[in-house]
Amino acid sequence: GAVVSQHPSRVICKSGTSVKIECRSLDFQATTMFWYRQFPKQSLMLMATSNEGSKATYEQGVEKDKFLINHASLTLSTLTVTSAHPEDSSFYICSARGQVDNSPLHFGNGTRLTVT
Amino acid sequence: AQSVAQPEDQVNVAEGNPLTVKCTYSVSGNPYLFWYVQYPNRGLQFLLKYITGDNLVKGSYGFEAEFNKSQTSFHLKKPSALVSDSALYFCAVRDRAEAAGNKLTFGGGTRVLVKP
Repeated sequence: GAVVSQHPSRVICKSGTSVKIECRSLDFQATTMFWYRQFPKQSLMLMATSNEGSKATYEQGVEKDKFLINHASLTLSTLTVTSAHPEDSSFYICSARGQVDNSPLHFGNGTRLTVT
Repeated sequence: AQSVAQPEDQVNVAEGNPLTVKCTYSVSGNPYLFWYVQYPNRGLQFLLKYITGDNLVKGSYGFEAEFNKSQTSFHLKKPSALVSDSALYFCAVRDRAEAAGNKLTFGGGTRVLVKP
């Protein structure tokens, strides 16, 4: 089946630093990837839609200058949390969809970010 | 706009008993419907989907779901629950007519606890 690899699984950083999270589709091409944020015991909140070769589309209320998304190839999208603050601590999950319209999303295992 | 409701925050069931996790949806057009399961500190795993055709959909790990258009429901079921089924379950919907980024909308999640 389709596999999405997300790295790192856990990261601890100091306030003010930047953190990059990678999301790779290992055995399929993903023209579209999605980045979600999940708070404890809550559902997934879509942050942005990442399209290969173009600018990401951010959801309302998500700061595009803080959460930089790059989708340089059909198998890689990155999310960079810039100038991280403790309130950015969360569980970030990426997902990718194959090129067939009704394909399910395939999710990475998530990244637990802790900003101290 | 599309939305998903999972009315139960938690479902408790004894091992070996039937398990049902409820989901209702709202879309302006016809839906694609999905169920995902999430284990602690992990991404989401795809269980099953309804696209078209037979209203009863069979998926992974013995799970199935029934699409009911008149009740706009897509309840997840398993005839005999296992302790290992204890996890967080998400229902999701995408409107086939949705043109903007193929967004998937998730319900709030239902925690399933299967007791031995």
